Amino acid sequence: GAGVSQSPRYKVAKRGQDVALRCDPISGHVSLFWYQQALGQGPEFLTYFQNEAQLDKSGLPSDRFFAERPEGSVSTLKIQRTQQEDSAVYLCASSLSVGQHSNQPQHFGDGTRLSIL
Amino acid sequence: DQQVKQNSPSLSVQEGRISILNCDYTNSMFDYFLWYKKYPAEGPTFLISISSIKDKNEDGRFTVFLNKSAKHLSLHIVPSQPGDSAVYFCAAGMEYGNKLVFGAGTILRVKS
Repeated sequence: GAGVSQSPRYKVAKRGQDVALRCDPISGHVSLFWYQQALGQGPEFLTYFQNEAQLDKSGLPSDRFFAERPEGSVSTLKIQRTQQEDSAVYLCASSLSVGQHSNQPQHFGDGTRLSIL
Repeated sequence: DQQVKQNSPSLSVQEGRISILNCDYTNSMFDYFLWYKKYPAEGPTFLISISSIKDKNEDGRFTVFLNKSAKHLSLHIVPSQPGDSAVYFCAAGMEYGNKLVFGAGTILRVKS
């Protein structure tokens, strides 16, 4: 596809369940990012991959959050033992560049809206 | 701490007039700034960016101004159109870093 694709678009889970969110970046994009967006706020950085290497996971809020990109393309964000405060929109973005350079912006998918009951 | 701030939660402008959206930042290490536009139920869409070596960047109806000494940037939209009604996010990053830091967004309403 032409853009970043995320699935599912909506996910409802009961507290304590595990969830997995998928991101399919733009073909050829080296960099992949996950962000969490709470209602009324801007996206907040979770983690960054360069190809299959996870180079920064400083934004992951707890060890219940885990991300992988095993073949350097599709990525999965997994949340274990979900809690109500995990309810948010999870956005994936990809970029052609390594790191950030002018004229190489991050392109976002439409996100997965996660609701924990 | 909020490193990127958009102090106006909303802005209402008449069609055809100028829209000015403002953003302040605190981290002097930021050297790359972007504006994104977001419609409901969609992801943010990249609009325009500026590197700290410049003080202005223009793309059609959109112009971004950067004042490094004041740690302030603004997005000008001229002329404003009803289709510009959306949430606008300011974001900042480092040239050789990776993550972006976002403001909380400003809701722009363009009235026809």
